[in-house]
Amino acid sequence: EAQVTQNPRYLITVTGKKLTVTCSQNMNHEYMSWYRQDPGLGLRQIYYSMNVEVTDKGDVPEGYKVSRKEKRNFPLILESPSPNQTSLYFCASSPPAALLGSYNEQFFGPGTRLTVL
Amino acid sequence: AQKVTQAQTEISVVEKEDVTLDCVYETRDTTYYLFWYKQPPSGELVFLIRRNSFDEQNEISGRYSWNFQKSTSSFNFTITASQVVDSAVYFCALSEDPNYGQNFVFGPGTRLSVLP
Repeated sequence: EAQVTQNPRYLITVTGKKLTVTCSQNMNHEYMSWYRQDPGLGLRQIYYSMNVEVTDKGDVPEGYKVSRKEKRNFPLILESPSPNQTSLYFCASSPPAALLGSYNEQFFGPGTRLTVL
Repeated sequence: AQKVTQAQTEISVVEKEDVTLDCVYETRDTTYYLFWYKQPPSGELVFLIRRNSFDEQNEISGRYSWNFQKSTSSFNFTITASQVVDSAVYFCALSEDPNYGQNFVFGPGTRLSVLP
């Protein structure tokens, strides 16, 4: 089954304790992104990756790191989490634009709800 | 800078009514892409449609239709004969990169409640 998986789905942690949220896709997609969703703000892009070893900042990258050592994985790292990073996080992947039509999907993971105390 | 506005925070309709969700966008680029996503109560994000700025034809898919008007920078979404299963938060989004790369901007979302 084609899918994007995220782990963990739920995480409660404390300020300053490093954590990693994993993201993996089995569709051989080049493009992957991380978003955070906050009430009234919609989703905001944190980082994106066009391919292996190619990553770039989105709109809200402060406090986050990513890596893309393999095509299928795109982990999100919070080196020193703070309460303002409490949010719902989504990972997404998509094939190249040339393969996209009006109804071709950008695949989203199920989301990770993070609470930083 | 890009921006997406969804002025309707919440809408409630009774089943079988038609409902239109508004989306107004701002961009300086002549090439851009517009999207709609659905987030049901279960929380996952469901891709509904992607349109590019060169194609202003209206789109219909079953009970869903989209009205893209560059003159008013709007990309409105209409659900005909709404059903309870349509209850969700709907997001409009804009990107200048067709590969879902940089500057992928979502609106704040419209929560639609369809009452039986």
